[in-house]
Amino acid sequence: AQSVTQLGSHVSVSEGALVLLRCNYSSSVPPYLFWYVQYPNQGLQLLLKYTTGATLVKGINGFEAEFKKSETSFHLTKPSAHMSDAAEYFCAVAYNQGGKLIFGQGTELSVKP
Amino acid sequence: GAGVSQSPSNKVTEKGKDVELRCDPISGHTALYWYRQSLGQGLEFLIYFQGNSAPDKSGLPSDRFSAERTGGSVSTLTIQRTQQEDSAVYLCASSPGLAGRELFFGEGSRLTVL
Repeated sequence: AQSVTQLGSHVSVSEGALVLLRCNYSSSVPPYLFWYVQYPNQGLQLLLKYTTGATLVKGINGFEAEFKKSETSFHLTKPSAHMSDAAEYFCAVAYNQGGKLIFGQGTELSVKP
Repeated sequence: GAGVSQSPSNKVTEKGKDVELRCDPISGHTALYWYRQSLGQGLEFLIYFQGNSAPDKSGLPSDRFSAERTGGSVSTLTIQRTQQEDSAVYLCASSPGLAGRELFFGEGSRLTVL
């Protein structure tokens, strides 16, 4: 069964520090990969996605993620954290164009001043 | 409206009662999802409708849960004989249908079972 694993339910960084949120998926089939963000008391919104083509994907608010097939990973990074980045981040995967989207458990990011 | 609309936004019910949660997707979106978000549990997939295909019900946690989608648009999630562990936020999302497309989420329906 397809699954998504996010390492670390809580990540805390200092403002200005590198943000790294980890995501691994389980499949040998090339997937469609997504990161969604949920700010406090708001709905989920798309941060970025990988479907085909370039494996380094840039999203909103300075975030990017790299699809590494050999590692079955799609880690999310941002060079310099901002206080406004504090939110919950969800990695998600689908395995074909008609397939359902499965989410990871989420990682709550805290940013310290 | 332009977005996904869910109702009610909040529902408090007594254990054993039935509840219905409604989702109005974005017009023209062929795919519709229901997820459950519980504290510390992330987003749990419940059911997925795609066009005229049979729905993927593989995520429904028990036979107390059911969902339908009428006319390829509005969807209703029904929970029968509610239990306290059903307390959660139920999220609906729609998309144009292809897996590579973005999901648009509603604000959710918060269910509290006393």
